[in-house]
Amino acid sequence: GENVEQHPSTLSVQEGDSAVIKCTYSDSASNYFPWYKQELGKRPQLIIDIRSNVGEKKDQRIAVTLNKTAKHFSLHITETQPEDSAVYFCAAQNNAGNMLTFGGGTRLMVKP
Amino acid sequence: NAGVMQNPRHLVRRRGQEARLRCSPMKGHSHVYWYRQLPEEGLKFMVYLQKENIIDESGMPKERFSAEFPKEGPSILRIQQVVRGDSAAYFCASTQNLEETQYFGPGTRLLVL
Repeated sequence: GENVEQHPSTLSVQEGDSAVIKCTYSDSASNYFPWYKQELGKRPQLIIDIRSNVGEKKDQRIAVTLNKTAKHFSLHITETQPEDSAVYFCAAQNNAGNMLTFGGGTRLMVKP
Repeated sequence: NAGVMQNPRHLVRRRGQEARLRCSPMKGHSHVYWYRQLPEEGLKFMVYLQKENIIDESGMPKERFSAEFPKEGPSILRIQQVVRGDSAAYFCASTQNLEETQYFGPGTRLLVL
């Protein structure tokens, strides 16, 4: 089955700096890659996603890049703010479209 | 997505009791997915159901766990004879069609004493 690795597990940045989180996946048939942000005690909330027919997608301060050949994708957050502090999860959807496999999460801390 | 509802939000059970977790999908959605999140870990897929059918239960333990999504009413995740290791947050998501973005409900946090 699919295996998703996520790095780093914790990331501390100064407010205004950029943050980059990287994920690799094993199943070349996976074709959809969402990113979720989860605050303590809350549900995972979708922040951005990308499908395998594009290499990059941007939404304001957040961008995601996908390298299908290397089977890795990354989340980029620019101009970080304290409210960006949370745990971020990457995920890969299987070819059947019914299952998300999640990475282990990255705890992002933005220091004011 | 606020449209996916789960209850109860918190559930405390003693070892050996049964836990019933409910998930009401968004209106018009007939696909439901259950995930479990252990403390400090990512979500793990458990089961995918369509109305009245279990389609993929590859992530669900064979013993003590069952799921259903009846024609009327919410989807139910049932855990019999709970053990401490079942303590986790259980999230469900729903979609109208396959391959759509999965939005999660608020989760049920199960604590087994």
